[in-house]
Amino acid sequence: GQSLEQPSEVTAVEGAIVQINCTYQTSGFYGLSWYQQHDGGAPTFLSYNALDGLEETGRFSSFLSRSDSYGYLLLQELQMKDSASYFCAVPQAGTALIFGKGTTLSVSS
Amino acid sequence: NAGVTQTPKFRVLKTGQSMTLLCAQDMNHEYMYWYRQDPGMGLRLIHYSVGEGTTAKGEVPDGYNVSRLKKQNFLLGLESAAPSQTSVYFCASSYGTENTEAFFGQGTRLTVV
Repeated sequence: GQSLEQPSEVTAVEGAIVQINCTYQTSGFYGLSWYQQHDGGAPTFLSYNALDGLEETGRFSSFLSRSDSYGYLLLQELQMKDSASYFCAVPQAGTALIFGKGTTLSVSS
Repeated sequence: NAGVTQTPKFRVLKTGQSMTLLCAQDMNHEYMYWYRQDPGMGLRLIHYSVGEGTTAKGEVPDGYNVSRLKKQNFLLGLESAAPSQTSVYFCASSYGTENTEAFFGQGTRLTVV
C-alpha cells in the first residue's frame, strides 16, 4: 500500500515563507506532485518532482529527496490569496493518483 | 476547452435512492478518476479508469459502481444511497500518472438524508 503524511494545519503572516512537508511510503515511486485547493473549489496542479532537488516556479518551489521519502512545498512572499489547502500526491504508474490528507494554510495580515 | 465537467453540481438524495454522477472531459485523456472529499480526510480514490472500457477499484469503492463506455465519459453510480455517502465528489482526468497534471472538475456536493 501507500501512505502520505503531511501536517494538518499551518499558519503564517503575509510576506513570510512557509514550508509544507510530506513524507510518503509507497511501492514503485515515480514522483511527487503538489496540488492547491481553495475552499470548496477544484484542486489545481502546482508542481511535480521526479528527481531529487528543488524545482522553482515563481513564488512556489518544491523539493524532493527520494532517499528520505520526503518532499516539501515552499511558499515565499506569502499573500492572503495563498490561504488554501495543499495536497501532496503520488502518481502510481499504471494505476492512479493518491493524495495525502492535505495541509490547510492560513495567511493573516 | 471546457476541461472536466461534472453534472450535477448539487444533489440531495433520500436514503436508498439511486443516482448517477456524470464526468466528461474534452482533453482526450486516457486516465479518469473519481474521488470523494470529506473534512479532514483529503481526497480518497473511489474508482479509476486507465482507458475506455476499463475500470478499477480505488481506496473506498464500496457502495459505488462506475462505467467508462466512452473515452470522454466516466460515470459514478450509487445504487442505494446511504448517509455515509454524503460528501463532495470530484472527477479528474490525466494523460497518465507519471509527470502529468491531473485536471479536476468543479465537484458535486451530494447530501443523503
